[in-house]
This record gives sequence, structure tokens and C-alpha cells, in this order.
Amino acid sequence: DAKTTQPNSMESNEEEPVHLPCNHSTISGTDYIHWYRQLPSQGPEYVIHGLTSNVNNRMASLAIAEDRKSSTLILHRATLRDAAVYYCIPSGQGAQKLVFGQGTRLTINP
Amino acid sequence: EAGVVQSPRYKIIEKKQPVAFWCNPISGHNTLYWYRQNLGQGPELLIRYENEEAVDDSQLPKDRFSAERLKGVDSTLKIQPAELGDSAVYLCASTRGANREETQYFGPGTRLLVL
Repeated sequence: DAKTTQPNSMESNEEEPVHLPCNHSTISGTDYIHWYRQLPSQGPEYVIHGLTSNVNNRMASLAIAEDRKSSTLILHRATLRDAAVYYCIPSGQGAQKLVFGQGTRLTINP
Repeated sequence: EAGVVQSPRYKIIEKKQPVAFWCNPISGHNTLYWYRQNLGQGPELLIRYENEEAVDDSQLPKDRFSAERLKGVDSTLKIQPAELGDSAVYLCASTRGANREETQYFGPGTRLLVL
């Protein structure tokens, strides 16, 4: 499994964009990059995933570096409900094998 | 569509007592996962089922933990006897199949406190 490095915590303001970085320099060529988040007192929930190209969905955007050694999760307009721990998970087996690190605790100020 | 259901949501027991957690995955999901999440840490996989077969139980402490998934639907995770260090949140998740782009859906978890 690829080793990941994420900031322990980040803080942003409501209605502003948030860029959550993740370094995964040992990622293999076939590993998908998954992002999950965990709101307080809830189980993790899927946010987005990608392989090589940037991806967009209703929740967020995922920007993947050309060498795939890093990626950035982008929340375009943060709300208070986006306060959570965000996990970046490279996985060669997709959802079958998700190895969670400590993630980034995101705080959103009103 | 109902999500992953877990019960109980909270459990407080004394050490050396047994405890069991129940999980009902999303209908039609063949793969079921049990995770343990210690305070301030990410979830750690305990066991993964494909239908009724446990295909990855390498992280399950087999001296005191057991799990079953009879008929390939609901699952039960048991601890006997519980120790103080077992205090954690136990999460259940499911996926429809084995495609690498599948999404795991998690339940709300069972918060266990061992006194």
C-alpha cells in the first residue's frame, strides 16, 4: 500500500474554497486515489476517486498531479457541514482494500 | 434505499464480559467489512466477507474476536471476553461487488466502552 502524507489539520472560512493536499509518492501505476470523509459521530462517506485525470462531482473536485505523486481535493465553496476528517487513500484493489491513515481534520469557521 | 444498519449504537460493558455487534448491509451488496476505529485514528480493517466467505481476516484478533455472516447477508462481530483496550467504534461497511471503482458505504458504527 502506498504511504500517504496529509496535514493533521486545516482551517478555512465558510463559503471559501478549500484545497486539501495529499502526498502519495510511492503510489503504483494502477492505484486509484480515493477520498473519504468522516463527519463527527458518523461512519466515513465517499467523496470522490480518480486514476489519472482530474475528476469532478457534486461534492468536490480531485486534481491529480501529472506524476501522480500527489493529489488535491478541492471543495469549491465550503459550508459548515464540510467540517470533517478527510482521508486520502491510494488503493490498488479499489474499495476492496482501503487503508485509512489519520487524515486531515478540516475546521470551517462561520 | 436504506443504508448500512448497525446495532446497538452504544454499548457499555465491564471487562471480561462478552459483547456482540450486528450489521445489515445495503441490499444486494455482496461484500461486507468490519472495521475498528480507535479514538483519533482512522478505521482499521478487521475482516472482509465475500458473500458468506471470510476472504481477509488477517487483522482479526482470533483469540477473542469472532465473526460470522450466515446466508451472506447480515453479519455479527463478537468479542469474548472484552478487554479495556477494546473500547473503540466498530464500523460495518459494504460494497456491491469487487470492481476497483466500487464505493464503500459505512454504517454509523457501534461505540463500545469497556470499564
